Amino acid sequence: EPEVTQTPSHQVTQMGQEVILRCVPISNHLYFYWYRQILGQKVEFLVSFYNNEISEKSEIFDDQFSVERPDGSNFTLKIRSTKLEDSAMYFCASSDPLGAVETEAFFGQGTRLTVV
Amino acid sequence: DAKTTQPNSMESNEEEPVHLPCNHSTISGTDYIHWYRQLPSQGPEYVIHGLTSNVNNRMASLAIAEDRKSSTLILHRATLRDAAVYYCILRIYNQGGKLIFGQGTELSVKP
Repeated sequence: EPEVTQTPSHQVTQMGQEVILRCVPISNHLYFYWYRQILGQKVEFLVSFYNNEISEKSEIFDDQFSVERPDGSNFTLKIRSTKLEDSAMYFCASSDPLGAVETEAFFGQGTRLTVV
Repeated sequence: DAKTTQPNSMESNEEEPVHLPCNHSTISGTDYIHWYRQLPSQGPEYVIHGLTSNVNNRMASLAIAEDRKSSTLILHRATLRDAAVYYCILRIYNQGGKLIFGQGTELSVKP
């Protein structure tokens, strides 16, 4: 079964450092998403990406965050200057080209980001 | 964002059916009803979705009320591996397919 893969599974970084979280969505999918989950809290939407541009972003997704699809396979989330409160599990998801609403989203297993 | 309401927790016995309710009274005509679950320490996993008609797949069934203001996820025979948080989510047509997760229903399954 096709799957979304995320690397690394765990990243520890110092406060103020830049981090890049990587995702390989399912190959024919065209809608891409990042979500995060702070420990013990609910999953929160960060950003959606379609046709090489951001289609929607939440209030959490401020200027410190950016997304990119640098080639035909990877989808990355960059946090420019990490803060302690960025510590969370980050999930990448993708949906197929038939439609963002009518089809399911496939999630990766997540990257646990710890900012120290 | 369209809102759904679910019980915080439910309990089931292994091998018995489970009915997980969800209210979504503000649903609009083009919103799809999606269910996802999250097992401990894992990413969310798709379970089932529908628009108006009841739906079945290998994991579960989705019963949608005629007025679409509520739905029920049915696990026909709960197993210990079904213990998870189940999320009922409205996927909004003009919002790029984003999923807005609530607190969900934490399902525990007793042997």
